[in-house]
Formats: sequence, structure tokens, C-alpha cells
Amino acid sequence: GDSVTQTEGPVTVSESESLIINCTYSATSIAYPNLFWYVRYPGEGLQLLLKVITAGQKGSSRGFEATYNKETTSFHLQKASVQESDSAVYYCALGDSTNTGKLTFGDGTVLTVKP
Amino acid sequence: GPKVLQIPSHQIIDMGQMVTLNCDPVSNHLYFYWYKQILGQQMEFLVNFYNGKVMEKSKLFKDQFSVERPDGSYFTLKIQPTALEDSAVYFCASSWTIANTGQLYFGEGSKLTVL
Repeated sequence: GDSVTQTEGPVTVSESESLIINCTYSATSIAYPNLFWYVRYPGEGLQLLLKVITAGQKGSSRGFEATYNKETTSFHLQKASVQESDSAVYYCALGDSTNTGKLTFGDGTVLTVKP
Repeated sequence: GPKVLQIPSHQIIDMGQMVTLNCDPVSNHLYFYWYKQILGQQMEFLVNFYNGKVMEKSKLFKDQFSVERPDGSYFTLKIQPTALEDSAVYFCASSWTIANTGQLYFGEGSKLTVL
């Protein structure tokens, strides 16, 4: 079946440092998966951070970036300079472009940014 | 931003009883979803729902599960009867368009403990 593997947390970085959270996927039943990063801030529901539906494209939001790499089946999340407010749980996910809303999630990576 | 509300946040019941988990989706959203996350495991798709009907359900959506949204009220997940393996956090989500082109908004989850 389809699967998503991401950096095992928890990850702790200091404010203004750079960040990368790795994500690789296996889409055995989907020819052209759509890729997503979702985030859960403390006390809130899961929300979309960014998505990319075309291989080779880059998505960005709130200073975060991720590039859909079909060759390496990766979708790593990066940020050049993190802030304390970025502390949250980050989930990589893939979905079927034919689309039913069925998303396959990774385990989530807990990120703590120290001031 | 838009919020999905879930009631209750936590419920403890005895095996064999019925439970109804309620979800108040984002106003004007048309598509609704339930996901299940067992402790220590990934969040997994259960079912999606549109125009009064289930569009797709996963193998986790057992015969004891049902969903409905009568007359625009709560979107509900009912389990009858419950089993020990139903203990999990259930996340409701909604979207304006189907998930892979639109954005899913998730609730904070309803934790179900079956004794």
C-alpha cells in the first residue's frame, strides 16, 4: 500500500537556526500523488501548511518550503530560520490525484524551537 | 481561521455500548471526513461523505460504523457496538472542495476509550 516516512522526532532547534524535516513516500497505488505538509499547533486542529500537486514544483508558506521530487520520492520540509512560534507537530501526507480525500499520513514530527 | 469543532473531546465507554462522535464542520463546507489514530500509530482515513452519501470508506470502516449528517446538523460517526480495538482518537475534517484540490480543516479530535 501507500506509505509516508518522515523524520522521527522529537526535533529541537534554537531560534533562527535552519530546519529540515525529511519525508519520503511510496505511492504504489497512485501514479501521480499529491503531496502535503500539515501542521498541528498546540491546542489546535491539524491544518494545511503547504501542498504541491506537480512533480518538480516547490510549495511554500510561512517561510517553509518543500519540493516534490519524483526521482527520489521525497518531499522534505525546510525553513532557513525558525521561530519559537513554529513549535508544533508536522505531518507529511500524500493523496490521490483522482481524489476522494483519502490522505495517507506519516507519523508526525514534533518540533520544539528554543528561544 | 475556520474551525472544526468536535464533541466530546474524550469519552469512556464499556465494550458493546454505542457511541456517537459529533463534528461541527466549517460553515459552507460540502465534504466531510473521519480519520482514526490509534495511540502511537499513524492517522488513517476512515470515510468521506458528500451530498448525504459515503463516497469512499477504508477497510477500517467496519460494519459497526456509520456516518450521517441529518439536515445540515452535526456530522456524526456512530459505532454500535463498540469493541476494544475502537479505542483511538477520531479526527473529523471538512473541506469546501474535494480534498486534493481544496484544503482539509481538521478538528482537535475525540478520544474514545473502550473498556
